[in-house]
Amino acid sequence: IAGITQAPTSQILAAGRRMTLRCTQDMRHNAMYWYRQDLGLGLRLIHYSNTAGTTGKGEVPDGYSVSRANTDDFPLTLASAVPSQTSVYFCASSVLAGTGSYNEQFFGPGTRLTVL
Amino acid sequence: GQNIDQPTEMTATEGAIVQINCTYQTSGFNGLFWYQQHAGEAPTFLSYNVLDGLEEKGRFSSFLSRSKGYSYLLLKELQMKDSASYLCAVSDSNYQLIWGAGTKLIIKP
Repeated sequence: IAGITQAPTSQILAAGRRMTLRCTQDMRHNAMYWYRQDLGLGLRLIHYSNTAGTTGKGEVPDGYSVSRANTDDFPLTLASAVPSQTSVYFCASSVLAGTGSYNEQFFGPGTRLTVL
Repeated sequence: GQNIDQPTEMTATEGAIVQINCTYQTSGFNGLFWYQQHAGEAPTFLSYNVLDGLEEKGRFSSFLSRSKGYSYLLLKELQMKDSASYLCAVSDSNYQLIWGAGTKLIIKP
């Protein structure tokens, strides 16, 4: 693996179904993020994790959950999918920023999710 | 609230120069990023500014004025492959990135 991988690439899902989007990075980055991207809107942060074992809520967390059991993996779960969750989902990672440094985010290829 | 503004779409001619502006209002400031995103692909990093002034990297330059809450991305010698969306993002007081909606740049021959 080089960088960040996401699975699946795309998925069509019936409303009410449970779905987990997978994200794995091999850069040993501390921080990981889940975004959704919708036409005409900027990337919106769903959840984030600054380090393994911790997670936090972003701008649009409702209907989503995450876990961070180890450094490499950061799965995103939709417990009961709804049509408004139709979107492109991007996972990203970065070296956690500190004073004097910056936290360039590296993105996975994305998952295109359609909820019917 | 936090807000990032950039034009929705711009058109330019191959070989020309284009400037994409970004204005921001955020809670705290720990730097401003520009990313490029081709259609159907992931965003990729272009530049980072944390101090006022111009940062040059090949055909691309990025400028920041913290007092004005303003940045621009300057693309020179435009090529067809530069057709993409350009995303402005500000790192806030918690080092979270606040993203603009992006500027779609169309390059015409």
